[in-house]
Amino acid sequence: DIQMTQSPSTLSASVGDRVIITCRASQSISSWLAWYQQKPGKAPKLLIYKASSLESGVPLRFSGSGSGTEFTLTISSLQPDDFATYYCQQYYSYPYTFGQGTKLEIK
Amino acid sequence: QVQLQQWGAGLLKPSETLSLTCAVYGGSFSGYYWSWIRQPPGKGLEWIGEINHSGSTNYNPSLKSRVSISVDTSKNQFSLKLSSVTAADTAVYYCARGAGDYGGLGYYYYYMDVWGKGTTVTVSS
Repeated sequence: DIQMTQSPSTLSASVGDRVIITCRASQSISSWLAWYQQKPGKAPKLLIYKASSLESGVPLRFSGSGSGTEFTLTISSLQPDDFATYYCQQYYSYPYTFGQGTKLEIK
Repeated sequence: QVQLQQWGAGLLKPSETLSLTCAVYGGSFSGYYWSWIRQPPGKGLEWIGEINHSGSTNYNPSLKSRVSISVDTSKNQFSLKLSSVTAADTAVYYCARGAGDYGGLGYYYYYMDVWGKGTTVTVSS
């Protein structure tokens, strides 16, 4: 299985901050990576697919980059609605695997 | 706008079989893969397996011996069965649509773009 490792596990930030979450794959997954946002008691919501493609309806402050084994999710200016847990997921090979999650908290 | 509605038994005893169904409304059923994902309380996400409209399946090897995913194209529904459950199978179970990303040479890679709301399944004696 491909292991996905996110860092940090927890991130404290303020409204208006620029934040970066990193995801590393244990082997190359080309650009077959998705990012999801999950709020308590809710299903995950797709933000980014193919490493850098923004899902329709997702605010432009979200962006993704990377290829191979190193990927980042950037939120350019944090909004109150962005405090949530974020997961990366590889869909390059079976079984699909997720990172352990990054919880974004209000500082 | 496609929506996924899921249902099934929420309380099971050890050794019983978990059974969930997900119905697809407002969109095409063919051309996609349909997945099940679970999330134990306070933990991360685990992909269980997927099926397409033709019945082609892929399973997580960690659960493969106990999992069966089936499809009913006449109802635009797909279902999950997980046998011999234990407390470790207690989780929120989600269904999701896999949308295809063309990777060349006729191969598609599927990311999960639409999710159901989740069903809480508790296994307890």
